[in-house]
Amino acid sequence: GNSVTQMEGPVTLSEEAFLTINCTYTATGYPSLFWYVQYPGEGLQLLLKATKADDKGSNKGFEATYRKETTSFHLEKGSVQVSDSAVYFCALSDNAGNMLTFGGGTRLMVKP
Amino acid sequence: DGGITQSPKYLFRKEGQNVTLSCEQNLNHDAMYWYRQDPGQGLRLIYYSQIVNDFQKGDIAEGYSVSREKKESFPLTVTSAQKNPTAFYLCASSIPFANTGELFFGEGSRLTVL
Repeated sequence: GNSVTQMEGPVTLSEEAFLTINCTYTATGYPSLFWYVQYPGEGLQLLLKATKADDKGSNKGFEATYRKETTSFHLEKGSVQVSDSAVYFCALSDNAGNMLTFGGGTRLMVKP
Repeated sequence: DGGITQSPKYLFRKEGQNVTLSCEQNLNHDAMYWYRQDPGQGLRLIYYSQIVNDFQKGDIAEGYSVSREKKESFPLTVTSAQKNPTAFYLCASSIPFANTGELFFGEGSRLTVL
């Protein structure tokens, strides 16, 4: 079956540091890949997505590239802010696009 | 504003009691979902419904029940058969899917069993 593995957190960074959160997946066929973000006390919201190999999703300074050869979708940001502190979830959809499988989440803490 | 409303936000229950969590959406989405979130375990799918009067079990449906009598409503009942119900519960909805993959989430309900 499908699965998503993320690096365990928490990840603690100083403001303006470079961020990488690793995500690898196992899936049959050609899934779409997503990053969702959960701010404290809230539900999840879609951050970015990529629907085919070599696509780059981007939003709010975050980027992730769909790497089929390494089955990865790592999240990056060049300069994090305190307001980026949240839990980040990597996810993939099945081939029909009906169901999402989520990774375990990675908590990011950014200190001033 | 369109969105998903979950209630209550916090709920305490004694062992042996059933509780029902409410989820209402005004996004006109056909599909709705219930997830359970535990620390360090990400989200696990409990039940989902892609159309009114129809729903399917997810990965961890035991001890839970749902109904989908109206398009905008998808309540979740946590029964006394659920052995470890203390968790954060998230409801979501989507347009069946057309590869958008986007789920819209509510703010969650935190259930604590005393």
